[in-house]
Amino acid sequence: EVQLLQSGGGLAQPGGSLRLSCAASGFTFSDYAMSWVRLPPGKGLEWVSAISDNGGNTYDADSVKGRFTISRDNSRNTLSLQMHSLRAEDTAIYYCAKGDSSGNWFDFWGQGTLVTVSS
Amino acid sequence: DIQMTQSPSSLSASVGDRVTITCRASQSISYYVNWYQQKPGKAPKLLIYVASSLQSGVPSRFSGSGSGTDFTLTINSLQPDDFATYSCQQSYSTPFTFGGGTKVEIK
Repeated sequence: EVQLLQSGGGLAQPGGSLRLSCAASGFTFSDYAMSWVRLPPGKGLEWVSAISDNGGNTYDADSVKGRFTISRDNSRNTLSLQMHSLRAEDTAIYYCAKGDSSGNWFDFWGQGTLVTVSS
Repeated sequence: DIQMTQSPSSLSASVGDRVTITCRASQSISYYVNWYQQKPGKAPKLLIYVASSLQSGVPSRFSGSGSGTDFTLTINSLQPDDFATYSCQQSYSTPFTFGGGTKVEIK
């Protein structure tokens, strides 16, 4: 059974940092691209970042470029999102999501973790 | 960036109704549209990928169609479990943008 178990998140001050983690099990983690997607309060889903199966390629939304870094450790089946220079508009529920082998749709999702940026 | 315009933003329907949600891309994206269902407090669930392929385990009352710029998600015979928010997503190119969502409520 595919499982994506998220940890991290919480409250941060504007300009602060947080790190999110996503522990994968039930599939060969190193065979799949992974992404982070967020849901701001009262808004629609927003794709944040993606990383290729071997970690060699990463892609970021313009809204987080230069502030967020996606990474993965295939030896530990773990996906991470390091967030710096946080802004109020980064407040959202963050989800890790597994990419399908055939394309960039997301067939399994983590349970979500709330990030709140507020002073 | 490719913009995904979804309509309507909300709708009210009754059990047994047929519901149609549309998504328009700002440029041609072939058939690279996917549909998700999300309920409050839960993670999104993949329903349809590449416009019309039904994800394993998803009831056959869900169907998708379209290509190019215009796409449709149809729910035939709406069931109580289907009241949720539905979102389209383009997987043609990064950033993998989502539509704004359609909230399906009980009439």
